[in-house]
Amino acid sequence: QVQLVESGGGVVQPGRSLRLSCVASGFTFNSYGMHWVRQAPGKGLEWVAIFWYDGSNEYYAESVKGRFTISRDNSKNTMYLQMNSLRAEDTAVYYCAKDVGIATPRGISNWGQGTLVTVSS
Amino acid sequence: QSALSQPASVSGSPGQSITISCTGTISDVGGYNYVSWHQHHPGKAPKLIIYDVTKRPSGLSNRFSGSKSGNTASLTISGLQAEDEADYYCSSFTGSNTWVFGGGTKLTVL
Repeated sequence: QVQLVESGGGVVQPGRSLRLSCVASGFTFNSYGMHWVRQAPGKGLEWVAIFWYDGSNEYYAESVKGRFTISRDNSKNTMYLQMNSLRAEDTAVYYCAKDVGIATPRGISNWGQGTLVTVSS
Repeated sequence: QSALSQPASVSGSPGQSITISCTGTISDVGGYNYVSWHQHHPGKAPKLIIYDVTKRPSGLSNRFSGSKSGNTASLTISGLQAEDEADYYCSSFTGSNTWVFGGGTKLTVL
């Protein structure tokens, strides 16, 4: 079955950087778009970014554009989220998620358990 | 991109049916058939329950159904059960090639 395992979360000071990883298994990784979604404490889900299956497109939420970079290594079945210039408002549980559509993204079908990022001095 | 609009809370008794609405614009919900619904029990991974507006993942109970009219999508849960108590989020593709979630609805089973 589909498994998504995030890692890399932790406590980081404002202005610093952090890289999250997501290792995928149970499906053909290079056929699906992959998303990052976050949930701040006590808040709802917020979509962060998507990386298309073949690397041809990447899109970001306005709140992270220019600071976060999504990438993937299909040879390792792994997706990454490089987060720079972190702010207190980036504090959240970050979820890795698989798209439901083959090639063309249609929405999230599977979620990881999440990794907590806390931005604090 | 503004969040889609959902009621903050809904409630129902076991066995009853409830409907959660998700209102957007022509640039998201109304313009595309890529609306999904996710169930989230706090502390656990969210779970997909509806995709492409009306489709259920394989193996999911047919008590869950989705629909759309204009800029508003809806999730209906029939035959409410105690384990349905959770937060529910809608999500839609947008014209900016991004995705947007609703603010979430807390379902209480009385």
